[in-house]
Amino acid sequence: DAGITQSPRYKITETGRQVTLMCHQTWSHSYMFWYRQDLGHGLRLIYYSAAADITDKGEVPDGYVVSRSKTENFPLTLESATRSQTSVYFCASRGTGSSGANVLTFGAGSRLTVL
Amino acid sequence: QKEVEQNSGPLSVPEGAIASLNCTYSDRGSQSFFWYRQYSGKSPELIMFIYSNGDKEDGRFTAQLNKASQYVSLLIRDSQPSDSATYLCALIYMDTGRRALTFGSGTRLQVQP
Repeated sequence: DAGITQSPRYKITETGRQVTLMCHQTWSHSYMFWYRQDLGHGLRLIYYSAAADITDKGEVPDGYVVSRSKTENFPLTLESATRSQTSVYFCASRGTGSSGANVLTFGAGSRLTVL
Repeated sequence: QKEVEQNSGPLSVPEGAIASLNCTYSDRGSQSFFWYRQYSGKSPELIMFIYSNGDKEDGRFTAQLNKASQYVSLLIRDSQPSDSATYLCALIYMDTGRRALTFGSGTRLQVQP
């Protein structure tokens, strides 16, 4: 199916464990993004990638690692999860809409709870 | 980080009324402005974008941009209960030579049947 998919949709883990959230898009979009969404903070950018093997930090990168070995995949890893990383994580990719605008399309989200 | 301010709401309007959602921003260099809609438990989806001062209409939605006063608005005419959602304002600004996108925290809209 065409689109952008995230997995897992729900994850419960414990403090100190490593967690990887997966993101896959079928459009061959160059740009991909990871956001976290918390009540009162809106969407905050964690990392983004302009192309395979090119990644850069966003607003809140501490405690996260990303990689992009293939254009279609952009996994996000929490190396040692903390309670403050309990959040909803959205992956997005950017393409050009029919009107020519740069349009962000989001995945369905991954809800992570760190106990 | 450039600031984008939105009233968190909830903004409550009766069905059929006009809902007016507002967003102010701090960076005069901001270039492009977007409105996303997010239903509870779902991901954001783009409704409209606007680049130039003035109004832009798309069906029941009108985006208004005033760069001098640094605000952007979204008007929803003939509001329906299905419009009940959180509306996120976003903008693109230049950050150390690259284009960056930042979001407001959203306004929750409730349309009462």
